[in-house]
Amino acid sequence: RKEVEQDPGPFNVPEGATVAFNCTYSNSASQSFFWYRQDCRKEPKLLMSVYSSGNEDGRFTAQLNRASQYISLLIRDSKLSDSATYLCVVNMIRAAGNKLTFGGGTRVLVKP
Amino acid sequence: DTGVSQNPRHKITKRGQNVTFRCDPISEHNRLYWYRQTLGQGPEFLTYFQNEAQLEKSRLLSDRFSAERPKGSFSTLEIQRTEQGDSAMYLCASSLVSRDRVLETQYFGPGTRLLVL
Repeated sequence: RKEVEQDPGPFNVPEGATVAFNCTYSNSASQSFFWYRQDCRKEPKLLMSVYSSGNEDGRFTAQLNRASQYISLLIRDSKLSDSATYLCVVNMIRAAGNKLTFGGGTRVLVKP
Repeated sequence: DTGVSQNPRHKITKRGQNVTFRCDPISEHNRLYWYRQTLGQGPEFLTYFQNEAQLEKSRLLSDRFSAERPKGSFSTLEIQRTEQGDSAMYLCASSLVSRDRVLETQYFGPGTRLLVL
């Protein structure tokens, strides 16, 4: 089993609709979580950190469920520019240093 | 531009040749990471440095791969005797580690895309 798993998609989303997707992680010792966005042939860029109480940044809402070991990302009022791959990232703090583990990404295609 | 920079952006080489990539992190960042990403996959950790010390290497990093960060600033990743399976995007990221280490955020460079023929 992969440490961090995501539905690869693609999620085909009509412009203006809401889309949500999850990421599951296997290591319960994981301590912090992030969503990165990656456009085609570009580098990943931090979208948002995920806090234990859940957090919102504009049209984006992230949730963390430690009991079930998953993180979710919800995008409201989807824009064409939201089309990208969304990478779930799990961070484990260790004596040897933090270890970031990336999921394979969920591809989102927003269509007019 | 004060972000992470990588050079070259693209590299085409023949199998068996050596290649070297460079990463310049954000200036005040003390950690530097190398990742490899292939199509349809997320970045896979290769190695990282805290200042000039290489603290961890993934088992993905075979003996043909070596990384250095001699002065704790820029880093180089060298691949010797390249193989077709080395074709990938090589990403560098840097971070400034806070005391609690929980909120470490990594910032990525644009990557070097390697194609081995």
